[in-house]
Amino acid sequence: DAKTTQPTSMDCAEGRAANLPCNHSTISGNEYVYWYRQIHSQGPQYIIHGLKNNETNEMASLIITEDRKSSTLILPHATLRDTAVYYCIVSANTDKLIFGTGTRLQVFP
Amino acid sequence: GAGVSQSPRYKVAKRGQDVALRCDPISGHVSLFWYQQALGQGPEFLTYFQNEAQLDKSGLPSDRFFAERPEGSVSTLKIQRTQQEDSAVYLCASSLALGAYYEQYFGPGTRLTVT
Repeated sequence: DAKTTQPTSMDCAEGRAANLPCNHSTISGNEYVYWYRQIHSQGPQYIIHGLKNNETNEMASLIITEDRKSSTLILPHATLRDTAVYYCIVSANTDKLIFGTGTRLQVFP
Repeated sequence: GAGVSQSPRYKVAKRGQDVALRCDPISGHVSLFWYQQALGQGPEFLTYFQNEAQLDKSGLPSDRFFAERPEGSVSTLKIQRTQQEDSAVYLCASSLALGAYYEQYFGPGTRLTVT
């Protein structure tokens, strides 16, 4: 599976959009981009995934560049409850998720 | 409906003891996964099952680690002769099936401390 690169940490003001970047320059044509997050002392939680088109659901939006070498997860109106570690994962399927160390997002009042 | 549950939530073992960690997946979920998460790190894959068949155990760190899912539902992760380096949170996840469109649902984890 391709490796991903994410910033170690980010801050965001409550109510503002949080934009979390991810680089995956070695992604293969059949690999999806998945985002999970992990709130302190809980198990990871699925957020969204995509192949090449931008995706949106009730939690977030996923913007994938045309060359698919990078993507951005957007939380449109961050709340304090969005404080968590966010993991960007690329995989051809979901039989083995490789998490990395993720981005620690701190939302402040 | 109920999510993935794990028991115990916390376990303290003396070095050399055997431990058994239980995972109850979401009812009807075919696939079940185990991950190990060391402090400050992301989860690392250990093994996964499709029904009762263990399809990949490449992540198990040693032959002291053993997982089973005999009836295709509840799973147990067993660690024999625990060592201090086994201290971690052990996460279980389940999914409806294998494939790109099936997200994994995680339990809260079992925090194992080996003293």
